[in-house]
Amino acid sequence: AQTVTQSQPEMSVQEAETVTLSCTYDTSESNYYLFWYKQPPSRQMILVIRQEAYKQQNATENRFSVNFQKAAKSFSLKISDSQLGDTAMYFCAFMKHYNTGNQFYFGTGTSLTVIP
Amino acid sequence: DTEVTQTPKHLVMGMTNKKSLKCEQHMGHRAMYWYKQKAKKPPELMFVYSYEKLSINESVPSRFSPECPNSSLLNLHLHALQPEDSALYLCASSQETGYTYEQYFGPGTRLTVT
Repeated sequence: AQTVTQSQPEMSVQEAETVTLSCTYDTSESNYYLFWYKQPPSRQMILVIRQEAYKQQNATENRFSVNFQKAAKSFSLKISDSQLGDTAMYFCAFMKHYNTGNQFYFGTGTSLTVIP
Repeated sequence: DTEVTQTPKHLVMGMTNKKSLKCEQHMGHRAMYWYKQKAKKPPELMFVYSYEKLSINESVPSRFSPECPNSSLLNLHLHALQPEDSALYLCASSQETGYTYEQYFGPGTRLTVT
C-alpha cells in the first residue's frame, strides 16, 4: 500500500507572503499521479494542482506551484502571494491507475491560515 | 460542466431509519467514489465503482449499501446506523482512461445519526 505523509498539521502565513506545504509519499510504483486538494472551512474539496510522475517539469497553476522530487518521493506545494481565501485544509493525494480502477491515497492534511 | 452534485446537503436520522444519499455527475466519468470524512481529517475511502461495477469495498459495515444504477448516478443506502457514523459523506468521480485522473468532489452530505 502507498502512504502519504504531511508532517505539518497546522501552518500560518501573512497575507501576500509565500508558504510551502510539504508532502512525502512511499511507493514502489514508477507511474502514478500526485495532487493537492484544498478544502475551505465548510466548503467543497477542490483540486489545486496535479503532477504526473512521468513528467520532470514541475506543475504550476497561477500562484500555486509544486516542487516534485521523484527520487526523494517529495511533492511540496508553494503558495505565492497568499490571500485570505487560501485559508483551508490542504490534502496531498497519491493516485495509481489499475485495471480494476483508480486508487487514491490521501495525506492527513495541513490546516493553513492566512493572517491579514 | 465539472460539477458533482449531492443530495441532501444535510440529513438527520435515527438509528432505526432507512435513508439514501444521492450523487450525480454529467462529466462522462466512469469511476465514482464514496468517502467518509470526519472533521479536520482526510477522506476515508468507502467504495469505488468502475464502469458501474463495484471494484473496491474498503471493508465497510453492511449498514452502508452502495448502488450505481447508471454511469451518472451513485447512491448510498443507509440502514441502522450508529452515532459514530455521523460525518460528512463525500462523492467523487474521475476518468478511467486518458491523461488526467483527478477526482472531482461533490459538496458532501452532512449526516447526523441520533
